[in-house]
Amino acid sequence: EAQVTQNPRYLITVTGKKLTVTCSQNMNHEYMSWYRQDPGLGLRQIYYSMNVEVTDKGDVPEGYKVSRKEKRNFPLILESPSPNQTSLYFCASSLFFRSDEQFFGPGTRLTVL
Amino acid sequence: GENVEQHPSTLSVQEGDSAVIKCTYSDSASNYFPWYKQELGKGPQLIIDIRSNVGEKKDQRIAVTLNKTAKHFSLHITETQPEDSAVYFCAASMSGANSKLTFGKGITLSVRP
Repeated sequence: EAQVTQNPRYLITVTGKKLTVTCSQNMNHEYMSWYRQDPGLGLRQIYYSMNVEVTDKGDVPEGYKVSRKEKRNFPLILESPSPNQTSLYFCASSLFFRSDEQFFGPGTRLTVL
Repeated sequence: GENVEQHPSTLSVQEGDSAVIKCTYSDSASNYFPWYKQELGKGPQLIIDIRSNVGEKKDQRIAVTLNKTAKHFSLHITETQPEDSAVYFCAASMSGANSKLTFGKGITLSVRP
């Protein structure tokens, strides 16, 4: 089944404790991205990747890192999480471009205490 | 940059009635307008899209119309059913490798049985 998977689905952590949210797609998509969803703010892009070893900042990249060492994986790294990073995070992929149909993962709900 | 707005933030309709959700965009160069549906606990999923070379597109009970002059596009859902209850996001972009998909803040549609 073609899909985007994220792990973990739920995470409660404390300020400053490094964490990684994994994202994997099995559709051989070149483009992958991370969004955060907050009430009243909709979907905001954090980082995106056009292909392996090619990443770039989205609209809200502060406090986040990403890497794209393999085509299928695009982990989101929070080196020192803070409470304002409490949010619902979505990974998405599309065939080539941002303007192609994006396939979203199921989401990761992160709470930073 | 592009700015996409959705109003209102919530919409409630009686089952069987029609629902219309409208979005406006700011960049006249945008030519691709998708609509995503997000059901509770899931990631957004593309339900219909339209490109600027057509004025209307229909898929069973849903349709999208585009008014390029006024820079707005609308999602029409006929014969609404409880399973249509969800958050709906509109988005806009230009086609191409470096284009950015800008999402609206989302509208919560509730269909009353």
